[in-house]
Amino acid sequence: SAVISQKPSRDICQRGTSLTIQCQVDSQVTMMFWYRQQPGQSLTLIATANQGSEATYESGFVIDKFPISRPNLTFSTLTVSNMSPEDSSIYLCSARGGLRSTEQFFGPGTRLTVL
Amino acid sequence: DAKTTQPPSMDCAEGRAANLPCNHSTISGNEYVYWYRQIHSQGPQYIIHGLKNNETNEMASLIITEDRKSSTLILPHATLRDTAVYYCIDKLIFGTGTRLQVFP
Repeated sequence: SAVISQKPSRDICQRGTSLTIQCQVDSQVTMMFWYRQQPGQSLTLIATANQGSEATYESGFVIDKFPISRPNLTFSTLTVSNMSPEDSSIYLCSARGGLRSTEQFFGPGTRLTVL
Repeated sequence: DAKTTQPPSMDCAEGRAANLPCNHSTISGNEYVYWYRQIHSQGPQYIIHGLKNNETNEMASLIITEDRKSSTLILPHATLRDTAVYYCIDKLIFGTGTRLQVFP
């Protein structure tokens, strides 16, 4: 199985600032995704990170608020911009399409608190 | 839009089989059904996935109906450590999940 790591694991940020979360996969994958999980709730898909092109965002999420990069087949970043307390959540990276190409795995998540 | 429906909670006695159902009536012909579980807000743990045929691995079995509109995850001998929230997903979309409580 692919191993996914995220940095930072947690952070406390001030309102109006931005935070960039890094996601590293230990092997090449075709697809990477970003999810958000608010306290006590299920996971919500933010976007699909596309290598070499703009990310594909789900309804309710926009590039200006959540810019995403994917420079290669093992790495992606998600930035949470101009944060407000409503952005407090766990942000999870996911990847699919490695050696066992249809399996999909998740990282441990980044716990973000905005004051 | 993709949507999965699962019972909000289930109980299971330790050592017994836990059968967790999921309806995914919006699934398209080439989409896999994936199952995950999540413990204490850790990242979701992959369990199993399937397309049309039943699947089995070291963790669980997955039974998919012929019309692919529903599936059942089977944990053959549940242990206390299997207590978690179980999610089936369709087209990358998570439902609300089933909170499985395994009791002694």
